[in-house]
Parts: sequence; structure tokens; C-alpha cells
Amino acid sequence: DGGITQSPKYLFRKEGQNVTLSCEQNLNHDAMYWYRQDPGQGLRLIYYSQIVNDFQKGDIAEGYSVSREKKESFPLTVTSAQKNPTAFYLCATLPEGNTEAFFGQGTRLTVV
Amino acid sequence: AQSVTQLDSQVPVFEEAPVELRCNYSSSVSVYLFWYVQYPNQGLQLLLKYLSGSTLVKGINGFEAEFNKSQTSFHLRKPSVHISDTAEYFCAVRYYGGSQGNLIFGKGTKLSVKP
Repeated sequence: DGGITQSPKYLFRKEGQNVTLSCEQNLNHDAMYWYRQDPGQGLRLIYYSQIVNDFQKGDIAEGYSVSREKKESFPLTVTSAQKNPTAFYLCATLPEGNTEAFFGQGTRLTVV
Repeated sequence: AQSVTQLDSQVPVFEEAPVELRCNYSSSVSVYLFWYVQYPNQGLQLLLKYLSGSTLVKGINGFEAEFNKSQTSFHLRKPSVHISDTAEYFCAVRYYGGSQGNLIFGKGTKLSVKP
């Protein structure tokens, strides 16, 4: 079954802890993205990666880090430096040809 | 900076009524245009896309959208909505030749269909 798997679906963490969100794809797409979604704010780009071992900051990268060691995987770490980490996080991929992006089911992170 | 504006944050409508969700983008350069739908606590699903050719595009679930280059708009329409259409809808734009990061989203429109 081809697709994008984000795990876990719900995540709770204490303030000050780093947490890593998983995104795995078996679509063989080169580009992968992380977006943050807050109510009324739409989707804001955190980081993206076009190829393995390379990634670029998006509009709101502060307090986040990523890695791209394999084509299939693009984990996002929310660090303690992120001042307001509670949000819905979406991972997406993009095939060649600059057409539409494909999305995972999201991870809802709540920091208490 | 490039931007996408969805003019209505919430649209309430009665079942079987027509609906239009509005989307405007900031630049008249060549673009790809998309509408996505999101149900609560889920990812985004593509409704339809405009890449080139006919300016009227049809998508899933009976939705359609019209690309208007002179008005830089890409409004989404459905002639008769169902309760199951209740969701949030996002308009997105990608510019020709842009970097892979250049997929820009509007802030979303929440469609609420009432019986």
C-alpha cells in the first residue's frame, strides 16, 4: 500500500523536552516537506528536502530540526527552543514534475 | 512576497444549496493551482488542480473550479452541497520554476453544511 505514514497520531510531551515526529513514505518521491498547522493560520512551511542529505529552511524553521539520511524518511525534531510547539504537524511529499503534493495523516503534538 | 488569500474563513450553507469558496493569489505569473480538503484531524486530500489548458477544472465529490488569470482567482464551486462536505478547504499555489518549497497555502475556509 503506497503512502505516507506519520507516527504517532497523537503525542504528548512535557515542556522543555525535545520530541521527534516520524514521516515515512514508500511513494519514491524525491521531495519531502514538514508543515505546521494552527487554527486559522493555514499551513506554514517548516523545512523541506529535495534530495537525501540536503534540506532547506522554510518560513518558520526556528526551534525545529530535520534530517534526511534516507529517501524514505524525513523526521522532524521539535526542540525545547520552539516557544509554542503545540500544533498539528503535516508531512508531505512531491513527485517529479511540480504537480500536487501528497500528505500524511498528521501528528497532533500537545506540550503540557 | 507571493501570497494566497481565501476571502472567507467560514462559510455556513444549507444542504442542497450551491456554494462558492473564493481564492485569490498575488501574482499573475504562470502558476499551478490546487484545492485541498481536510476533515478533522486528518491530512489534506487533493480535490482538483489546474496545471494548464481548460480554465474550468472538475474534481472529486462534484466540485469544480475556474481559473481566471486576469483576476488572479481560482474559486471553488459546488452546485448542491451535502452534509458530508463539511470540512476545511485550502487553496494552494505553486509558481512555475519555483523551488520545491514554493507551495503556498491560503489560511483555509471552513465549510459548514447544515440540514
